[in-house]
Amino acid sequence: AQTVTQSQPEMSVQEAETVTLSCTYDTSESDYYLFWYKQPPSRQMILVIRQEAYKQQNATENRFSVNFQKAAKSFSLKISDSQLGDAAMYFCAYEETSGSRLTFGEGTQLTVNP
Amino acid sequence: DAGVIQSPRHEVTEMGQEVTLRCKPISGHDYLFWYRQTMMRGLELLIYFNNNVPIDDSGMPEDRFSAKMPNASFSTLKIQPSEPRDSAVYFCASSTSAGTGETYEQYFGPGTRLTVT
Repeated sequence: AQTVTQSQPEMSVQEAETVTLSCTYDTSESDYYLFWYKQPPSRQMILVIRQEAYKQQNATENRFSVNFQKAAKSFSLKISDSQLGDAAMYFCAYEETSGSRLTFGEGTQLTVNP
Repeated sequence: DAGVIQSPRHEVTEMGQEVTLRCKPISGHDYLFWYRQTMMRGLELLIYFNNNVPIDDSGMPEDRFSAKMPNASFSTLKIQPSEPRDSAVYFCASSTSAGTGETYEQYFGPGTRLTVT
């Protein structure tokens, strides 16, 4: 079974600084999708970024980018120019190409200090 | 688009009562998912549907839980009888395969916070 591990229960960053959240996963598949979701206090799950395993290029969405290391099964999220609104719980998630189940990590609570 | 709609947003009930959670997926999406979020177990998939047909219900905790999708725009998750350990936030999500056979990102509803006393 696939597993997703986020080893940082909590992280903090100063406003305007850069922070990196870590995620590792375990799978025997070669094709799959990886996601980062953000959950603010409103509890709404918001998609931040998506990465297809067959793509070598790292995905980027404005201030959010990933470092996808397929061989190492690592998928970290970098947030540049952190803003107060970035404060939330961040979940890494895995999805098999052939199926539709999302497997989530435990989450990392990000605090942004003014 | 209104996004995924869930109702109610909050539900408080007494142990032993029946609880029904409702979900309206994004129009045109052919996959619908029910997740549960608790402090102890995190986010876990309960069941998902494709074109209104249940595909994987291996995450449904026990027979007290049941889910239906009578049409493409409506699904229910029912708990009967409810127990205090069912207290959690229940999310509905939907996605589309756009006919490719592969699903795209899942869009989540706002969740229903269920408290069973």
